[in-house]
Amino acid sequence: DAGVIQSPRHEVTEMGQEVTLRCKPISGHNSLFWYRQTMMRGLELLIYFNNNVPIDDSGMPEDRFSAKMPNASFSTLKIQPSEPRDSAVYFCASSLDSGGGLNEQFFGPGTRLTVL
Amino acid sequence: GNSVTQMEGPVTLSEEAFLTINCTYTATGYPSLFWYVQYPGEGLQLLLKATKADDKGSNKGFEATYRKETTSFHLEKGSVQVSDSAVYFCALSDQALTFGKGITLSVRP
Repeated sequence: DAGVIQSPRHEVTEMGQEVTLRCKPISGHNSLFWYRQTMMRGLELLIYFNNNVPIDDSGMPEDRFSAKMPNASFSTLKIQPSEPRDSAVYFCASSLDSGGGLNEQFFGPGTRLTVL
Repeated sequence: GNSVTQMEGPVTLSEEAFLTINCTYTATGYPSLFWYVQYPGEGLQLLLKATKADDKGSNKGFEATYRKETTSFHLEKGSVQVSDSAVYFCALSDQALTFGKGITLSVRP
């Protein structure tokens, strides 16, 4: 199995631009998680889906952030408009479970976003 | 709400030294507890886990015991190697994972 796939691996953009991060979970997994990692705040859960349905989006910073999961094999995290404080590494993870974190989560390699 | 507190880092050790990384948690209910490891340039990987009180998780020479009475899940290894250099995260799960801030371990040859 290829594991969780994220693209792009690196993204540099200018303030105000739209950014779309992509994630392909491990085939057969039914839960998908988006995290953000920064030096100041550590690793934060942004949103997670179970069976393609958003379960908890309380970690999404503000309306500029949105996430979708149109099918079991694809999810996007969009930032519009982007701001310099959004610069971080964004991780996607997937697991096979009933919607919580009880089963092992498999992480992708992350997308390093820099907003100038 | 749930929270995880890890000891401040970074930690630098010589090869074959004993390692302890402290982790305490606050949670309602009875969460599962995890240690994840992040090697440079990679995503997180599960290192070990424990799902109930007094369980001991172990993997690659690392161990941690779920201590409900002290709400702790300290990570230990008897003899670290250079290849153990990484960032270590303690986490708990209730509905989803809550992570500590992570601690960087550097092991010198």
